[in-house]
Amino acid sequence: AQKVTQAQTEISVVEKEDVTLDCVYETRDTTYYLFWYKQPPSGELVFLIRRNSFDEQNEISGRYSWNFQKSTSSFNFTITASQVVDSAVYFCALSEVLQAGTALIFGKGTTLSVSS
Amino acid sequence: ETGVTQSPTHLIKTRGQQVTLRCSSQSGHNTVSWYQQALGQGPQFIFQYYREEENGRGNFPPRFSGLQFPNYSSELNVNALELDDSALYLCASSLLKGLAGGNEQFFGPGTRLTVL
Repeated sequence: AQKVTQAQTEISVVEKEDVTLDCVYETRDTTYYLFWYKQPPSGELVFLIRRNSFDEQNEISGRYSWNFQKSTSSFNFTITASQVVDSAVYFCALSEVLQAGTALIFGKGTTLSVSS
Repeated sequence: ETGVTQSPTHLIKTRGQQVTLRCSSQSGHNTVSWYQQALGQGPQFIFQYYREEENGRGNFPPRFSGLQFPNYSSELNVNALELDDSALYLCASSLLKGLAGGNEQFFGPGTRLTVL
């Protein structure tokens, strides 16, 4: 069965600390996609990244970086030098194949609180 | 470029009533997905519409139904409301090219439904 596990329910850090959000997934598909979304208090889900299962290169975008390891079925997200504006709920998601296109299977999310 | 919009923002209904939620896709997108997000949980896939037909469905009963219109806007209808239907309902649009999956989904701000 398709499943995403985000074991960390809540994380609290002080500004400028680095923080890593863990994501472990289970899938029966050989080709799949992984995503990270951010949900600020306003409620709207903001797309951060998509990764294809065939591309295991790590990716960096400003203060954000992602580490995809197929061998351990993990897709972890690191924020370097965290800021108060990073406070939000972060969701990892896995694609599930439909007749055409895909649905997203989400984890339960990790609430990140960054204090000044 | 106009993003995904949803209406209404908030809604209060009583058990047994029916409700219709609306979503306008992002310009250029042809696929609409609906998700239910209970408090403290990750979003759960309800169904997806592509070319005005249901393209896939999650583990939700038939009293959850939908429509997609020629302009790619969509409605989510829920009949015989139950207390557990109280949640944030998120609409997401995406551009599906052929049958390829993994397309990025862009979310609207959601409709907060409370069932009393």
